[in-house]
Parts: sequence; C-alpha cells; structure tokens
Amino acid sequence: SQQGEEDPQALSIQEGENATMNCSYKTSINNLQWYRQNSGRGLVHLILIRSNEREKHSGRLRVTLDTSKKSSSLLITASRAADTASYFCATDRREGGSEKLVFGKGTKLTVNP
Amino acid sequence: DAGVIQSPRHEVTEMGQEVTLRCKPISGHNSLFWYRQTMMRGLELLIYFNNNVPIDDSGMPEDRFSAKMPNASFSTLKIQPSEPRDSAVYFCASSTSFRGSTQHFGDGTRLSIL
Repeated sequence: SQQGEEDPQALSIQEGENATMNCSYKTSINNLQWYRQNSGRGLVHLILIRSNEREKHSGRLRVTLDTSKKSSSLLITASRAADTASYFCATDRREGGSEKLVFGKGTKLTVNP
Repeated sequence: DAGVIQSPRHEVTEMGQEVTLRCKPISGHNSLFWYRQTMMRGLELLIYFNNNVPIDDSGMPEDRFSAKMPNASFSTLKIQPSEPRDSAVYFCASSTSFRGSTQHFGDGTRLSIL
C-alpha cells in the first residue's frame, strides 16, 4: 500500500488563490518530501521537511508536518497558471533491511488564468 | 549541469519484443533508482542501486525485468519478453544517497507494448 496518500485527488482554483494539498502516512518517518510533476515530465523536488521540524517555507511554498497525526500539508500561496501540475508527497520507509522513498498517488492541481 | 538523461523518450513495440531503457545519472550521484508510473498504481519503485550495486529489487514485477549498472554513469532496465501490461512511463532518478536524500528524475520513457 502507498505510504503517503494525498488529498484531494484533484483541485481546481483561480489564479491568485491559495492551494492546499494534504498528505497522510501510516508509519513513522525520518523526513517527508514534496515533489511536483508537470505533464510529460519527471518529478521535481520542491521541499524536504524532517521529522523534528513543524514548518518550512520556500518562496510561495509552505509545508507543515504533524507527526502526531501522521500528516503534512503543502500550501501554495498566490497561485499562478504555471503552478498547474501534479504534486506528490514521499516518505522514507524501511522494508526488509533496505530504505526506500514511497510516493503517494498525487494531487492534480489546475490553476485557471 | 546536465540532469538525469533517459533514452529513448518514447518506445512503441510489439508484444514479445525485448525492450531496453537507458539512464545516465547526474555525475557524482551514488544512488540510482528505476520507477514505473501508471494511472492505476501510481509511481512504483522497481529497483535501486548504491555505488553500482543493486540494493533492493523487490519491486521488480517478474523475471522478465532485469536491471544493470555496469558503471557509475550508466544503467539499463530490460524487459524480455515484453507484454502489453508493461505499458507505462519508466523513470530513472539519482541522488547523492539512498537514505533521506532528494531524488533527481529524468523525463522518463513512455513505453507502449502493442
């Protein structure tokens, strides 16, 4: 099963509005990452937040992490049409002696001009 | 600096044919990952290497799939024989470490098996 589950699955907003996407996970983590994927392209790393951090900012992005609720949120402020993409959270997971990054199925964000 | 380079970008072939996907990681990165992305299953990790050695291949779906990393600058993912259900976008990613590091993705190979 997916370690990270994003919601909503799809989000449509107007340019200038804020977009909030959520991610829930099941097991304890060392860090959580958010990635963006534009149509037809690979994933691009946006931000990494460690388990001992509660909030992190990068430009118009704000990520929060609540380890007690096993959840994270990604806020994009003052959205632009260029923010249209799918957004994925990824958590580290230890299985059978190896460690891997497990991605959720993503939130598809559409920002209408 | 060049990012992760994958080839080909698109591949269409008939069922039963051998398919080879190629990846050149970012220079200096020690870890390389192969993923498969489909609408139904999302992004799945197939296999990853650290210092050219396969660490975890538990995501490789069947014996028809194999991956190699003969040196630090090249990796291949091979499917033989291919089947229609292998149709997907295959991504290669690299990072400085397989633990807790950000991953840099190529733009993928869109594979269609007819």
